[in-house]
Amino acid sequence: DIQVTQSPSTLSASVGDRVTITCRASQSINSWLAWYQQKPGKAPKLLIYKASTLESGVPSRFSGSGSGTEFTLTISSLQPDDFATYYCQQYYSFYNFGQGTKLEIQ
Amino acid sequence: QVQLQESGPGLVEPSQTLSLTCTVSGGSISSGNYYWSWIRQPAGKGLEWIGRIYTSGSTNYNSSLKSRVTISGDTSKNQFSLNLSSVTVADSAVYYCARNPVNSYGYYFDYWGRGTLVTVSS
Repeated sequence: DIQVTQSPSTLSASVGDRVTITCRASQSINSWLAWYQQKPGKAPKLLIYKASTLESGVPSRFSGSGSGTEFTLTISSLQPDDFATYYCQQYYSFYNFGQGTKLEIQ
Repeated sequence: QVQLQESGPGLVEPSQTLSLTCTVSGGSISSGNYYWSWIRQPAGKGLEWIGRIYTSGSTNYNSSLKSRVTISGDTSKNQFSLNLSSVTVADSAVYYCARNPVNSYGYYFDYWGRGTLVTVSS
């Protein structure tokens, strides 16, 4: 199984901040990585796939980068609606999710 | 617009079989290049993929659950189903169904159901 590790587990930030979440895979997954946003009581929402491709309708303040084993999700200027939990997911070999990063209001 | 909706019992007794159905609208489970998956999330925890069924009917399962999981499709009703046998309290979770497109960008999950809470308890 490919393990996927996210950091940090919790991130405190303010509206307008630039934040970055990191995802590391236990082996190379090329660019087969997606990012999701989940709010309490809701299903995850796809933000980014193939490491850096923005899903249609997702604001451009979200961006993804990386390949191989290290990836990042960046939110360039936090908006109130962005406070949520974020998950990365590898799909190089079936599917594994990171443990999640909870983005909290500072 | 593709929509997925999970349904099934919210309470299952230990050692019994958990059975859920996902009804798909706005698209066909038997056409196009798609996998249809089940994913679960225990309360306050992360996401775990359970298994998937392809439009052809072929299936793949998470190795940690493989001995207890069966996913099947009913093309006449445009539904796919999950059976998880010999459940324990550790199987209590919100269960989601989701779609994976098969394309050059890979097999991410683009559409999700709202999820259904299943509690295992006597």
